[in-house]
Amino acid sequence: EIVLTQSPATLSLSPGERATLSCRASQSVSSFLAWYQQKPGQAPRLLIYDASIRAAGIPGRFSGSGSGTDFTLTISSLEPEDFAVYYCHQRSNWPPGGTFGGGTKVEIK
Amino acid sequence: QVQLVESGGSVVQPGRSLRLSCAASGFTFSGYAMHWVRQAPGKGLEWVALISYDGTNTHYADSVKGRFTIARDNSKNTLFLQLNSLRADDTAVYYCARDDYSINSGGYYNDYWGQGTLVTVSS
Repeated sequence: EIVLTQSPATLSLSPGERATLSCRASQSVSSFLAWYQQKPGQAPRLLIYDASIRAAGIPGRFSGSGSGTDFTLTISSLEPEDFAVYYCHQRSNWPPGGTFGGGTKVEIK
Repeated sequence: QVQLVESGGSVVQPGRSLRLSCAASGFTFSGYAMHWVRQAPGKGLEWVALISYDGTNTHYADSVKGRFTIARDNSKNTLFLQLNSLRADDTAVYYCARDDYSINSGGYYNDYWGQGTLVTVSS
């Protein structure tokens, strides 16, 4: 089973700052990686799939990059509504539903 | 618009059973594979089960294999998860999620999620 390691666990930033979140896979997942945003009490929301393609309706300040084992989610300028937990998710390999990273919490500094 | 609404969560004793439902609307339910994903309180996301668009193929996480059963009724646009032999570590919010296909890569991802239903296993 592929393990996804997200870092940092917590990112403390101010609105307007740039956020850079990392996701590292224990073996190559090619570009089969997605990013989700989750706010308290809400379902996950798809942000990015195929490592770099924004999902429908996702603002341009969110971007994804990487392939193989190292991936990055960047939020170019944090808006108040962006403070949340972010998960990466691979569907490259077993199990069929994939595996999730442990999450990065982006909190207000 | 796509809507997924889960129901059926409750407090249940260890060893008992429960059935969760997920009512789908706003899309052609029979054209999509569907998943159950869970999240223990304060923890991350864990994939639980997957069913093909027509119900002929199913897959399970090792942690639930032999205890949980995923099923669907395409005539009623509803997804199910039967939970048997429940344990304390099954306590979680259970989400249903739609499976979608990327024409860019040929890969799959979960594009829509329901709001979840809470299952608490406690004596």
